[in-house]
Amino acid sequence: AQSVTQPDIHITVSEGASLELRCNYSYGATPYLFWYVQSPGQGLQLLLKYFSGDTLVQGIKGFEAEFKRSQSSFNLRKPSVHWSDAAEYFCAVGRASNTGKLIFGQGTTLQVKP
Amino acid sequence: KAGVTQTPRYLIKTRGQQVTLSCSPISGHRSVSWYQQTPGQGLQFLFEYFSETQRNKGNFPGRFSGRQFSNSRSEMNVSTLELGDSALYLCASSSSGTGKETQYFGPGTRLLVL
Repeated sequence: AQSVTQPDIHITVSEGASLELRCNYSYGATPYLFWYVQSPGQGLQLLLKYFSGDTLVQGIKGFEAEFKRSQSSFNLRKPSVHWSDAAEYFCAVGRASNTGKLIFGQGTTLQVKP
Repeated sequence: KAGVTQTPRYLIKTRGQQVTLSCSPISGHRSVSWYQQTPGQGLQFLFEYFSETQRNKGNFPGRFSGRQFSNSRSEMNVSTLELGDSALYLCASSSSGTGKETQYFGPGTRLLVL
């Protein structure tokens, strides 16, 4: 069965420090991978996505993610975190045959220290 | 383009009642997916509609149902509400619902069952 694991439930980083949020997936074929961000009381906003090709993808707000097939990972990174990045981050996987359905990880809550 | 809109934003109901939530997708989008978000279970897929037909379904009881209208607007209904149905209900739209398409999320409807 498909599954997505975000090992870190909560992460705290200092403003200006680098960030890496981990995501591992279990899937039988090349997945379609997404990172979304959710601010309190809001819906989800897409940060970036990977379908094929270059394994390093750039997203909005200075985020990037790297797809590593050998590790079944799709980790999200940002070189310098801003206080406004504090939010909950979700990794998700989709597949062509499973229309309209994303499987989400449990989410990682990011806290940014001043 | 206007984003995905959901009404109402907040609802309070009592056990045993039923509730209907509404979702208006982005103009031109024909696929609408619904998700339930709770602290314990995270984001879980309920169902997806495309061209007025339910095309995919998650693992929820029959009390959860939906429909889609010819203008792609969708409604979700929950009958015989239980305390455990308290959650944030999110809808998302995409052009055709294929796995590699970005799903655009609305702000959600927060349902509290007393």
